[in-house]
Amino acid sequence: ILNVEQSPQSLHVQEGDSTNFTCSFPSSNFYALHWYRWETAKSPEALFVMTLNGDEKKKGRISATLNTKEGYSYLYIKGSQPEDSATYLCAFPDKLIFGTGTRLQVFP
Amino acid sequence: DGGITQSPKYLFRKEGQNVTLSCEQNLNHDAMYWYRQDPGQGLRLIYYSQIVNDFQKGDIAEGYSVSREKKESFPLTVTSAQKNPTAFYLCASSSLAGLEQFFGPGTRLTVL
Repeated sequence: ILNVEQSPQSLHVQEGDSTNFTCSFPSSNFYALHWYRWETAKSPEALFVMTLNGDEKKKGRISATLNTKEGYSYLYIKGSQPEDSATYLCAFPDKLIFGTGTRLQVFP
Repeated sequence: DGGITQSPKYLFRKEGQNVTLSCEQNLNHDAMYWYRQDPGQGLRLIYYSQIVNDFQKGDIAEGYSVSREKKESFPLTVTSAQKNPTAFYLCASSSLAGLEQFFGPGTRLTVL
């Protein structure tokens, strides 16, 4: 089973702070990585699909990078807002494995 | 509107009873999945199906059964053999090419 770790497990920040968290994975046999955003009482929603080493994707204030050689992806949120509060999951679609998630809470 | 529906949203059952969770999609996706989430844990794969009349066990299939008689439907039965059935269950679907999964709203099952 692929060992996927997300850190930190939870994060509390003030509105306006920028933050980032990590998805770590074994670098061998990499195919693709997905980031999902999962708000309480809603379905997980896809944010980014990362496939190539060095990929950098951006959607508004959220961006993600990928390093397949060292086995990690970072998710950044610039100027966090309360509506960013959610659990952020990384997933490996070819292996049907999800990380445990980082639970972000942004306080006004 | 295209999407995935799961019903019911909340389900209560007595210990020892089998219960079936519904998952329907109208996205014309070939692949469908069932995941379970427990507090403090990520999503764990129970079963998946890439084609009608075929399905594969995931990491935690024991105590569960599925069927895929139609492309649109992938019901999950939680049997009495499942030792800790109380959990949040998510269904997802994807096209085989895209791999991006689209999720339903989930069913929270509580076994009393």
